[in-house]
Amino acid sequence: IAGITQAPTSQILAAGRRMTLRCTQDMRHNAMYWYRQDLGLGLRLIHYSNTAGTTGKGEVPDGYSVSRANTDDFPLTLASAVPSQTSVYFCASSKIQGSGSPLHFGNGTRLTVT
Amino acid sequence: AQTVTQSQPEMSVQEAETVTLSCTYDTSESDYYLFWYKQPPSRQMILVIRQEAYKQQNATENRFSVNFQKAAKSFSLKISDSQLGDAAMYFCAYRTTQGGSEKLVFGKGTKLTVNP
Repeated sequence: IAGITQAPTSQILAAGRRMTLRCTQDMRHNAMYWYRQDLGLGLRLIHYSNTAGTTGKGEVPDGYSVSRANTDDFPLTLASAVPSQTSVYFCASSKIQGSGSPLHFGNGTRLTVT
Repeated sequence: AQTVTQSQPEMSVQEAETVTLSCTYDTSESDYYLFWYKQPPSRQMILVIRQEAYKQQNATENRFSVNFQKAAKSFSLKISDSQLGDAAMYFCAYRTTQGGSEKLVFGKGTKLTVNP
């Protein structure tokens, strides 16, 4: 079934540890995104990528990094996790720019930093 | 920067009744897209409806319809004949092209409870 796969589904992580959240899509979408969801704050954009080889910062990029080596994969890395990064993380993708296409979302990763 | 405001943190409706969720947004762009997403307890983000700003006709998807008022920058969602399965968080979102990428800006969400 075509879509977005995120891994892991959930994770408990000690503060200071490094963690990479994985995201893979098989829809050949150009654009990909990482959002975090926090209660009462909705979804906020962390980083995005318009196409393979390019990335950009969103609303809350500090403490996170991304890479886009190919069309399908868009991993999100927390270099040194802090408790404020406890959240649900969603990866999303969409078709070419200018089309107004909706974002397709993965099922999210629940991350707890202790 | 664009902002999206959902002024109702929580709403409730009786099964089979109609409910309207409010959404307003702020933008200086003339061409854009608006979306409503549903997030049930499963955490999955599900597209409910999409509206193109240059179309005056309100979008409709089965029991879901919108009241799009471009001048007022308002984009409310009406759910008719509410069902228990409609219980979820609902997010209004604006698609902006500023900053070199088409990104969605989300409101903070409205939690909808459907009472049997």
